[in-house]
Amino acid sequence: RKEVEQDPGPFNVPEGATVAFNCTYSNSASQSFFWYRQDCRKEPKLLMSVYSSGNEDGRFTAQLNRASQYISLLIRDSKLSDSATYLCVVRIAGGTSYGKLTFGQGTILTVHP
Amino acid sequence: EAGVTQFPSHSVIEKGQTVTLRCDPISGHDNLYWYRRVMGKEIKFLLHFVKESKQDESGMPNNRFLAERTGGTYSTLKVQPAELEDSGVYFCASSQGINQPQHFGDGTRLSIL
Repeated sequence: RKEVEQDPGPFNVPEGATVAFNCTYSNSASQSFFWYRQDCRKEPKLLMSVYSSGNEDGRFTAQLNRASQYISLLIRDSKLSDSATYLCVVRIAGGTSYGKLTFGQGTILTVHP
Repeated sequence: EAGVTQFPSHSVIEKGQTVTLRCDPISGHDNLYWYRRVMGKEIKFLLHFVKESKQDESGMPNNRFLAERTGGTYSTLKVQPAELEDSGVYFCASSQGINQPQHFGDGTRLSIL
């Protein structure tokens, strides 16, 4: 079983749509959670951290459910520029591996006119 | 502020040859990480330096891979001898503190023929 699992998609949505991505993680020692965005042939870029209380950044809302080991990302009012691969990323607590990020395979989003 | 830079951007070599990848982290970032994405798979952690010391090398696949960070500035990742399964995109990331966001370079696309 993969440590971080995502629906790979692809998700094809029209501009203005709302789209949600889900992610589950298997290691209960996971402490920090992130969504990264990766454009084609580019580097991953941090989109937002995910906090237990849920957090919002403009059109993006992230949720965390520790009991279910589940993370989500909601994008409202999709723009063409949102087309990318969205990576669910976790980091475990403590130990020498604390700096290590564990990635999901990514969910591909294409927003069309 | 310059971001994380990696060199070369692409490398094509034959099986059995040696290749050295270089990463220049963001100035002042003590933490430097190497990751790899092979075709069809998720991005996977290779190792983590804190200054010049290896904090965690649990992700290094085998002893054909050697990473160094002499002087705690730039890092090199040498593959010797290269095998076909080493093909992929090698990303470097850096962060100021271990809890701080990791900033990624554009990656080195390595092809072994």
